[in-house]
Amino acid sequence: KAGVTQTPRYLIKTRGQQVTLSCSPISGHRSVSWYQQTPGQGLQFLFEYFSETQRNKGNFPGRFSGRQFSNSRSEMNVSTLELGDSALYLCASTQGAGGANVLTFGAGSRLTVL
Amino acid sequence: GENVEQHPSTLSVQEGDSAVIKCTYSDSASNYFPWYKQELGKRPQLIIDIRSNVGEKKDQRIAVTLNKTAKHFSLHITETQPEDSAVYFCAARYTGGFKTIFGAGTRLFVKA
Repeated sequence: KAGVTQTPRYLIKTRGQQVTLSCSPISGHRSVSWYQQTPGQGLQFLFEYFSETQRNKGNFPGRFSGRQFSNSRSEMNVSTLELGDSALYLCASTQGAGGANVLTFGAGSRLTVL
Repeated sequence: GENVEQHPSTLSVQEGDSAVIKCTYSDSASNYFPWYKQELGKRPQLIIDIRSNVGEKKDQRIAVTLNKTAKHFSLHITETQPEDSAVYFCAARYTGGFKTIFGAGTRLFVKA
């Protein structure tokens, strides 16, 4: 069974640009969550999607957005990039039917903003 | 809002000693508490989890305890080995919130 796949793995952008990251969950998983990981800050929750609906959102500015498609694949977008957006962006999928769902993480997309 | 505090941020132990990492959560509605291990350059992976109706769970050298009244939960690693060196994250989730909140992480060094 294929794991969670994130693309691209690495990318470099400049301030003011925008970026789109993609996440393909494990087959059969309907929930996708996104996290931002920076040194010393742990994993900061961005948002969670289930069946194309955003069910929850973290404390990030409106420049951070996401969506989920009917095949459960998800994308997140960051507009007007700032230096502080440099981070590892991780997505994780679960079956999402409720209860104690184990998050399975992808390898992440490492974004560098210059 | 929901918050998970994790201590210590760094922990160094001798091989064979025990390691304990402690977490506190704020949302009393939290009902699921996973622990993840992240090795350098790799993705976080679940190592053990506990639900709110259980006080303790053990898996070989790893155990987790939960005190719902105090809103504390802890990870215990016995007979540590160099391969246990990694960053460990605790987390809390409650079903209604549809999100898992992570602690800031503990970097564990096991010295041979």
